[in-house]
Amino acid sequence: AQSVTQLGSHVSVSEGALVLLRCNYSSSVPPYLFWYVQYPNQGLQLLLKYTTGATLVKGINGFEAEFKKSETSFHLTKPSAHMSDAAEYFCAVSKDTGRRALTFGSGTRLQVQP
Amino acid sequence: SAVISQKPSRDICQRGTSLTIQCQVDSQVTMMFWYRQQPGQSLTLIATANQGSEATYESGFVIDKFPISRPNLTFSTLTVSNMSPEDSSIYLCSARQGSLSYEQYFGPGTRLTVT
Repeated sequence: AQSVTQLGSHVSVSEGALVLLRCNYSSSVPPYLFWYVQYPNQGLQLLLKYTTGATLVKGINGFEAEFKKSETSFHLTKPSAHMSDAAEYFCAVSKDTGRRALTFGSGTRLQVQP
Repeated sequence: SAVISQKPSRDICQRGTSLTIQCQVDSQVTMMFWYRQQPGQSLTLIATANQGSEATYESGFVIDKFPISRPNLTFSTLTVSNMSPEDSSIYLCSARQGSLSYEQYFGPGTRLTVT
């Protein structure tokens, strides 16, 4: 079975500050990891993904995440927060075979203070 | 990437009635999924919509309550049957394009309120 834990249901940062959203996973097989963002009253948009290869992955809007197998983590970062980054962020994991359905974490709501 | 649309975008329904949600993808996709997002919570997979065969349901979800159709490679429907207030949620359709693809693309969701 797979699971995802997102530490911190709410994170607040100042505009221009570092954004760090934490995600730890549990998987019995090599995981495929994703970060999605959900803006108010909208669907989910894929920010970035890790499947194989380079463990530091870059996504859209200046976000990046690093896969650390030894720590079973896939934390999301952005060097400088922008007001438009305020949204709900979901970490998700899938298997590399079969249907590849996603298992989501509980989500982290990011607030950006001016 | 696939562009996914859903209809209706929102609805308010009475207890005991049923609502059918439509999901349309702008290209042929291998897999289609239905998720539920209860208020203030994360997404939970309801089922995988299989083209030409019965959907595959996750634990806790049954066909009688959430019948699903997928008549072709671009379209699926989810029906929420005999609704109760506990069914008030956002229902999201998603799709994965190719057998070698990992990304899932999501529709905008259908916000359902049951009174």
